[in-house]
Amino acid sequence: DIQMTQSPSSLSASVGDRVTITCRASQSISSYLNWYQQKPGKAPKLLIYAASSLQSGVPSRFSGSGSGTDFTLTISSLQPEDFATYYCQQSYSTPPGFTFGPGTKVDIK
Amino acid sequence: EVQLVQSGAEVKKPGESLKISCKGSGYSFTSYWIGWVRQMPGKGLEWMGIIYPGDSDTRYSPSFQGQVTISADKSISTAYLQWSSLKASDTAMYYCARVAAAGTGANYFDYWGQGTLVTVSS
Repeated sequence: DIQMTQSPSSLSASVGDRVTITCRASQSISSYLNWYQQKPGKAPKLLIYAASSLQSGVPSRFSGSGSGTDFTLTISSLQPEDFATYYCQQSYSTPPGFTFGPGTKVDIK
Repeated sequence: EVQLVQSGAEVKKPGESLKISCKGSGYSFTSYWIGWVRQMPGKGLEWMGIIYPGDSDTRYSPSFQGQVTISADKSISTAYLQWSSLKASDTAMYYCARVAAAGTGANYFDYWGQGTLVTVSS
């Protein structure tokens, strides 16, 4: 099974900060990596798919990069509505697997 | 507009059975896989399995194989997640989500249901 890790597990940041979250796969997953945002009491929301493609309607301050085993999600200028938990997800496995990372909670400094 | 609408919250006793639902609308229900995701209280997201309503092809996460059953009724555009004998550890929020595919072959969950809270307690 492909295992996903994220770092850090939590971070505190201020509005306007540049924030970077890292996701690592236990083996190469090419670019089959997605990022989701989840706010308390809400369903997750897709931000980035295929490592770097921005989902329609998602602000351009969100970006993703990486391939193989190492990926990053960057928020260029953190906004108040961005305080949430962020999850990476691989979709490489065969038979199909959609393993999530453990999440990174972004809160207010 | 694509929508996935899940059934309401459930409170059950250990040993009871349960079937929760996820109704799709606004798209061709038989043309997209539907996935189920568990979120235990205060914890992260866990992928449980997926089903293709067009032919009911179903794949399970190894962690959930044999623990739950995923099914679909394409005539009413509805996917299901069921348990034959609930345990207290099944207490969680359960989400359904549509699986989209990029041209590159990458898959991702693009639309999500609102979640169904299942509480199992004696």
